[in-house]
Order: sequence, then C-alpha cells, then structure tokens
Amino acid sequence: DVKVTQSSRYLVKRTGEKVFLECVQDMDHENMFWYRQDPGLGLRLIYFSYDVKMKEKGDIPEGYSVSREKKERFSLILESASTNQTSMYLCAGRSGEGPQHFGDGTRLSIL
Amino acid sequence: GESVGLHLPTLSVQEGDNSIINCAYSNSASDYFIWYKQESGKGPQFIIDIRSNMDKRQGQRVTVLLNKTVKHLSLQIAATQPGDSAVYFCAENRGGSYIPTFGRGTSLIVHP
Repeated sequence: DVKVTQSSRYLVKRTGEKVFLECVQDMDHENMFWYRQDPGLGLRLIYFSYDVKMKEKGDIPEGYSVSREKKERFSLILESASTNQTSMYLCAGRSGEGPQHFGDGTRLSIL
Repeated sequence: GESVGLHLPTLSVQEGDNSIINCAYSNSASDYFIWYKQESGKGPQFIIDIRSNMDKRQGQRVTVLLNKTVKHLSLQIAATQPGDSAVYFCAENRGGSYIPTFGRGTSLIVHP
C-alpha cells in the first residue's frame, strides 16, 4: 500500500519567515500534489509535479513554490509566510490513473 | 463551469442504519470517480473508486453507484458504525488528466 508521510503534524511560524513543508512517498510513481484545506472551501490545489524537477501551478500558487529534486520527495515552500496562509496542508501521491493517496496533513499556523 | 458537488452537507444516522451519501457531477468527460473518507485530524483516505464503464462497485460494507445519465454518484455504507463518522468526499477525473476535482464534502454523524 502507498504511504505518504508529511514531516510535521503541527507547525507554528511567524509572519515573513520562509517555511518548508516536506512530503515523502514510498511508491515509485511520478505524480505528487500539494493542497490546502480550509473550512468551507474544500481542497484547493497549490502545485503538482508529474516527474522529477517538473512542476505545474494549481489553482492557488501565489505565495508558494515547490521543489521536486527526487521522485519520492515533494517540498512546499512559503517564501514569506503570511497570516492568510494559516491552514491545513495536505500532500498526495498518485499511481498512474488510480486514486490519490494522502498524508495526514500539516496544520500550519502563521502568527 | 464544471464542478462536483454534494446534495447534503450533513447526514445524521443511527448506528446500524444504512447511509447514502450523494454527489452530482457536471463534466460529462469524467470517466473515473473516487470516494474518500476524512476523519478528524487525518488526511483523506481512499475508500472505493469506479470507472465510467461500470454502474456499481462493491467493497467491504460500501457500494458505489454511478448513474451517467443524470451524472450522479452515490456511496452506500451498510450497517453504519460510529467509526464511520467522518467527512466523505467524492472526486471526479477526466481521462488523461492528472488532476481530480473534489466535492466539498458531506459530514456523516453516526449516533450510537
């Protein structure tokens, strides 16, 4: 079974900090995704990657960047954290045309 | 625009009842549909999926029904248990697309 692991369950950072959220998957497949989840807004796609060093913007990429240097690792970067980026962040991996498999999320608070 | 939605935001049932969670989709090009369960404090967990060449698929205590004529998807949970309490999401995927479209979710509350 696919396992997607997010390095932190909870993070508290300050406005203006550069924040790194890490995600690792144990499957040898290409597709990885970063979402944020907010009450009443559902899952919103920030970025996705379909191969190493490849990335595509999702619906809300502003204020974020990503890095995919190895197939198993997909990092989300908040260049200069702001309070409106306080949210639950979910990473997912996908095997071909099958379902996405999600990590347990990182609850990020920006003070 | 094309979207995936849910008819009911909250569904309350008694333990032992059967539960039905509904989902409407509007993209006729979608050919793959997925149901997820998200418990409090956890990420969405895959439950069951179905492709557009099927009308029904069964898993353990769960059944997904697909009605392409009216673009409707449902998740049936038999003998609902308190551990089934969670938010349930449907998602649709167009063939060849990396990106599924998620519904907003239905909260299922199971009373003992």
